[in-house]
Amino acid sequence: AQSVTQLDSQVPVFEEAPVELRCNYSSSVSVYLFWYVQYPNQGLQLLLKYLSGSTLVKGINGFEAEFNKSQTSFHLRKPSVHISDTAEYFCAVSDRTGGYQKVTFGTGTKLQVIP
Amino acid sequence: EADIYQTPRYLVIGTGKKITLECSQTMGHDKMYWYQQDPGMELHLIHYSYGVNSTEKGDLSSESTVSRIRTEHFPLTLESARPSHTSQYLCASKGMNTEAFFGQGTRLTVV
Repeated sequence: AQSVTQLDSQVPVFEEAPVELRCNYSSSVSVYLFWYVQYPNQGLQLLLKYLSGSTLVKGINGFEAEFNKSQTSFHLRKPSVHISDTAEYFCAVSDRTGGYQKVTFGTGTKLQVIP
Repeated sequence: EADIYQTPRYLVIGTGKKITLECSQTMGHDKMYWYQQDPGMELHLIHYSYGVNSTEKGDLSSESTVSRIRTEHFPLTLESARPSHTSQYLCASKGMNTEAFFGQGTRLTVV
């Protein structure tokens, strides 16, 4: 079984300030890791993904995340946020093995950028 | 760009009606998923499929049913809608070793 924990349900941050959204996971097998963004009344859009290779991955809209295997974390960061980054962000994990490869999501973090 | 489509985007329907939410993808993905999401809340997996003629219940119990007769099509059906079914339903598909691609969602309101 796998699970994802996003400890922060809401994160307010001033415009142009840096932000970090935390994500920790647990799994008995090797995993793929993802961050998705959801704008109001929309589906989920992929921000970035870690499949293998470099532990620092860069995504769209200036976001990046670092995979830390020893701490089982995949925190999302952006050095300077914009108003348009206000949205809900979901961390997700999928096991690497065959079969169904269920995608398990965290509970989401609402990022509120304050002008 | 992801090619996964959900219809309708919005649906308001009376209690007791039978409804089918459509989901189609043109990427040839074997794996498909249905998630239920209440406004501002987390996603709950309610159904998934490994391929044609394969369906499984997800982590959250749901009164809905699904079918997978064709690779590209994964409809979700509620035989008798109730107000407790009011929610957003998100469909997704996934290839091997890739991320899940999501549709725009169907926002269902049962009155």
